[in-house]
Amino acid sequence: ETGVTQSPTHLIKTRGQQVTLRCSSQSGHNTVSWYQQALGQGPQFIFQYYREEENGRGNFPPRFSGLQFPNYSSELNVNALELDDSALYLCASSLRGENIQYFGAGTRLSVL
Amino acid sequence: GDSVTQMEGPVTLSEEAFLTINCTYTATGYPSLFWYVQYPGEGLQLLLKATKADDKGSNKGFEATYRKETTSFHLEKGSVQVSDSAVYFCALSARGGSARQLTFGSGTQLTVLP
Repeated sequence: ETGVTQSPTHLIKTRGQQVTLRCSSQSGHNTVSWYQQALGQGPQFIFQYYREEENGRGNFPPRFSGLQFPNYSSELNVNALELDDSALYLCASSLRGENIQYFGAGTRLSVL
Repeated sequence: GDSVTQMEGPVTLSEEAFLTINCTYTATGYPSLFWYVQYPGEGLQLLLKATKADDKGSNKGFEATYRKETTSFHLEKGSVQVSDSAVYFCALSARGGSARQLTFGSGTQLTVLP
């Protein structure tokens, strides 16, 4: 059984640029959630996708957007990067209606 | 809104010491409760969970009991090992609604010395 995988592992961008992060769900999981973890903090919920549609959103601006594909993999896009976007971005997959989420190792984004 | 408050760290213990990490929560209804662990450079791993009042979650010697009357879910281990050094996060998942998002505490860094 393949776990949740994320790419890339590290990324450096400059303020104002755009970035795309990718996530492959654990086999059989149909729901993907994205979280932002600032240094020294707990993860904060960004949004969740189910059946290729956004299924819930946390307190993040519209420049954070996402996609889910028919194979349940997902992308997180962030436009107009700001310094405060520097964080570890975590993807988690689950089965719809189940309350256990399985996390990937994350993508470390640094915005300079 | 929902929130989780964790005992602030860092916590430093000697090997074989007793561990308690306090966690309290605020949520409407009856959430599911979790402890996740994060080792250096890695993502989060589910350590244990409890889905209703008085449930006890356990794994790898760690335990936590869902206390509805005190809205708490404290993590305990009777004898810690150096390999338990990590950051521990308490989290809840509220019932109802379509998105079962997790709400996390701020994490507690545990260092176990040999």
